[in-house]
Amino acid sequence: EDQVTQSPEALRLQEGESSSLNCSYTVSGLRGLFWYRQDPGKGPEFLFTLYSAGEEKEKERLKATLTKKESFLHITAPKPEDSATYLCAVQDARNNDMRFGAGTRLTVKP
Amino acid sequence: SQTIHQWPATLVQPVGSPLSLECTVEGTSNPNLYWYRQAAGRGLQLLFYSVGIGQISSEVPQNLSASRPQDRQFILSSKKLLLSDSGFYLCAWSVANIQYFGAGTRLSVL
Repeated sequence: EDQVTQSPEALRLQEGESSSLNCSYTVSGLRGLFWYRQDPGKGPEFLFTLYSAGEEKEKERLKATLTKKESFLHITAPKPEDSATYLCAVQDARNNDMRFGAGTRLTVKP
Repeated sequence: SQTIHQWPATLVQPVGSPLSLECTVEGTSNPNLYWYRQAAGRGLQLLFYSVGIGQISSEVPQNLSASRPQDRQFILSSKKLLLSDSGFYLCAWSVANIQYFGAGTRLSVL
């Protein structure tokens, strides 16, 4: 069965303190791995799609990377406005099913 | 550009009352549409998806049903709400395997 595990569950950083969020997954065949940002009480906002191991995508202070078993979301010099829950999802190539992780709740203190 | 509308934003309903949540998409034709439920600290759970008018697939047995009366309209319903139906409900549409979410509806069943 496809599984997606995100760690840590919560992360508190000082402004400017870089770190990484992890998304480990098990899937028979990966069609794509997706990162979303979700603010409290709102719907997830799409950030990145990664399709194959070794691929990287960047957007402002965020960079997503992918291996055959996990993905990292690197946050460089975060700001308080980066505070949110970050969700990871994998899509199974066999049936296009999408499975989401529980998310990492990031808090950046000024 | 495409937009997705979901309403209401919050809803408080007594146990045993009916439910109707509506989602509409603008700016695209024949989208794949989805209903998810998100429990606190857990990943998004897919409830229903639809690839066309009148075509509904259910992922989990439950007290809910879905309908797609028009190409860009997706409705989530229940005849009698249970306490366990409380949660954050999200509608989404997809293009090129990327899912885009509405703002969500916070449902509290009391």
